[in-house]
Amino acid sequence: SQTIHQWPATLVQPVGSPLSLECTVEGTSNPNLYWYRQAAGRGLQLLFYSVGIGQISSEVPQNLSASRPQDRQFILSSKKLLLSDSGFYLCAWSDRTGRPTGELFFGEGSRLTVL
Amino acid sequence: KQEVTQIPAALSVPEGENLVLNCSFTDSAIYNLQWFRQDPGKGLTSLLLIQSSQREQTSGRLNASLDKSSGRSTLYIAASQPGDSATYLCAAAVSGTYKYIFGTGTRLKVLA
Repeated sequence: SQTIHQWPATLVQPVGSPLSLECTVEGTSNPNLYWYRQAAGRGLQLLFYSVGIGQISSEVPQNLSASRPQDRQFILSSKKLLLSDSGFYLCAWSDRTGRPTGELFFGEGSRLTVL
Repeated sequence: KQEVTQIPAALSVPEGENLVLNCSFTDSAIYNLQWFRQDPGKGLTSLLLIQSSQREQTSGRLNASLDKSSGRSTLYIAASQPGDSATYLCAAAVSGTYKYIFGTGTRLKVLA
């Protein structure tokens, strides 16, 4: 069966510090991978998605970046965090066998607080 | 640009009631419509996926319908229980893209 792991689960970072959130999917190959952010009391905002190694599409201009160094690994990064980067970050994957988008599955999320 | 809206934003009902959650989308060009459940501080759990060619899907006490022409989907929960308390979100997979666009969710509280 497929599983998705996301870490760290919680982190508190000072303004201006770097960020690295990691997401790994197991049990599938060539998935679509996604990073979403959920601010307090708000919906999910699509940040980045990737349909293959090294292929990253950005949805929101900001100081965040994403990379996909391996087929089932997706990393969200920042060189210098802002207060507005605080939120709940969710990684997700979908199987696109035979079609561009299938069922979407989420990790447990990473809660980031920037102080 | 696809926009997804969920009404109501919050709902409180006594245990045992049947209830309907609504999801509206502005562009009918979708691959599928998916319903999720989110518990506080947790990730999203997939409940039901309706392909664009389907009209409804059922899982236990849950039934989701899709009307592409009117841009609407509903999630029906039968005989609600306190354990159903959570936020329910819908997401539309936009045709011609790899994107899923989410509604802002309905926060449900079922009172014992």
